[in-house]
Amino acid sequence: GAVVSQHPSWVICKSGTSVKIECRSLDFQATTMFWYRQFPKQSLMLMATSNEGSKATYEQGVEKDKFLINHASLTLSTLTVTSAHPEDSSFYICSAKPPLDGSRGLMNTEAFFGQGTRLTVV
Amino acid sequence: KQEVTQIPAALSVPEGENLVLNCSFTDSAIYNLQWFRQDPGKGLTSLLLIQSSQREQTSGRLNASLDKSSGRSTLYIAASQPGDSATYLCAFLTGNQFYFGTGTSLTVIP
Repeated sequence: GAVVSQHPSWVICKSGTSVKIECRSLDFQATTMFWYRQFPKQSLMLMATSNEGSKATYEQGVEKDKFLINHASLTLSTLTVTSAHPEDSSFYICSAKPPLDGSRGLMNTEAFFGQGTRLTVV
Repeated sequence: KQEVTQIPAALSVPEGENLVLNCSFTDSAIYNLQWFRQDPGKGLTSLLLIQSSQREQTSGRLNASLDKSSGRSTLYIAASQPGDSATYLCAFLTGNQFYFGTGTSLTVIP
């Protein structure tokens, strides 16, 4: 398998501040990264899909000005929650897909997930 | 849009029992199916990946099957152990997007 590292694993911030979450593919280049949000006892909901070097594609209902996604390199994508409010408190998880050429024997149809970030806005 | 349902939502079994987790989906045009494990407050760990052309995959005590015609997948866990306690999620890849089920919370009682 491949390793996706997400940082921080948990963060507490004051209402109105911004928080940045990093997602790194450690041993492969990820052309596509996904950001998910998970509420307690619920499944993962896709927020946006980011492709390296281009703008992210946001799912319906997700505010792109609030959840800023940057995918500046093939190994790093960031999610910034701007002007956070208590209702933004959630578990955020990223995933990354290997490139289509199948380098390192990884299948492009398989995604690898980060450890998640628990965000609490007080 | 793909709808993914997992039954049961929660399951509690004594240690040593064999068990089956179910996952159903509405759109058979899938690329692959993955079963994941999620421990409380943690990310996802991939357990098994089945390509759309395959019918099952096995890893240790785990066996996952895929029946596209009926829109179902099952995860079989043999000889369950307390360490298997976690939430199990199935996910289908269609196009460029994963669709996740709501998960089955498994508790294995020592």
